[in-house]
Amino acid sequence: KQEVTQIPAALSVPEGENLVLNCSFTDSAIYNLQWFRQDPGKGLTSLLLIQSSQREQTSGRLNASLDKSSGRSTLYIAASQPGDSATYLCAVPRSGGYNKLIFGAGTRLAVHP
Amino acid sequence: EAQVTQNPRYLITVTGKKLTVTCSQNMNHEYMSWYRQDPGLGLRQIYYSMNVEVTDKGDVPEGYKVSRKEKRNFPLILESPSPNQTSLYFCASSLRAGSTDTQYFGPGTRLTVL
Repeated sequence: KQEVTQIPAALSVPEGENLVLNCSFTDSAIYNLQWFRQDPGKGLTSLLLIQSSQREQTSGRLNASLDKSSGRSTLYIAASQPGDSATYLCAVPRSGGYNKLIFGAGTRLAVHP
Repeated sequence: EAQVTQNPRYLITVTGKKLTVTCSQNMNHEYMSWYRQDPGLGLRQIYYSMNVEVTDKGDVPEGYKVSRKEKRNFPLILESPSPNQTSLYFCASSLRAGSTDTQYFGPGTRLTVL
């Protein structure tokens, strides 16, 4: 049974810091991994989707890496800003379940000026 | 604008009073699903639909019903809500069923059952 874990559960950093959020999964036979951002009252926004054949995806100040063999993904946020404050979730499709996503519990990030 | 919409966004109700949360997407997506999010438990899938008239249970379907009469709509029905169904609900859709396409989520519906 696929399980997804995110560390740390919460993070508070000053503006401008580079930071790394971690995601691990127990079943390495994944098709892809997706990182979401959750803002209160605004649902989930997809940030990056990494296919199993890829090792990295970049979007602006965000860079996500994937190491299937070790069951890990990291989300790197460069030069953090207060507007980055949100909860970040990673998710993988359930084995054989394609569309169905298994989510981690999330990392709650606070970036203070 | 491509989006998934949910209504209502906030709802307070009492035990046993039937309610429906609507979900609509304007992207012609085949696949739609409902999740609930609870503190410490994360997001869990309630029901999903691979296409019109095709629905199936997710991980936590007890106490819920769904229907998919049209491709764009996927309402979640609570016939007799109970306090343990107090949660934050999300509808999601993706282009193709049986794929690993990006999923798009609605803004969420916060439900409180007294």
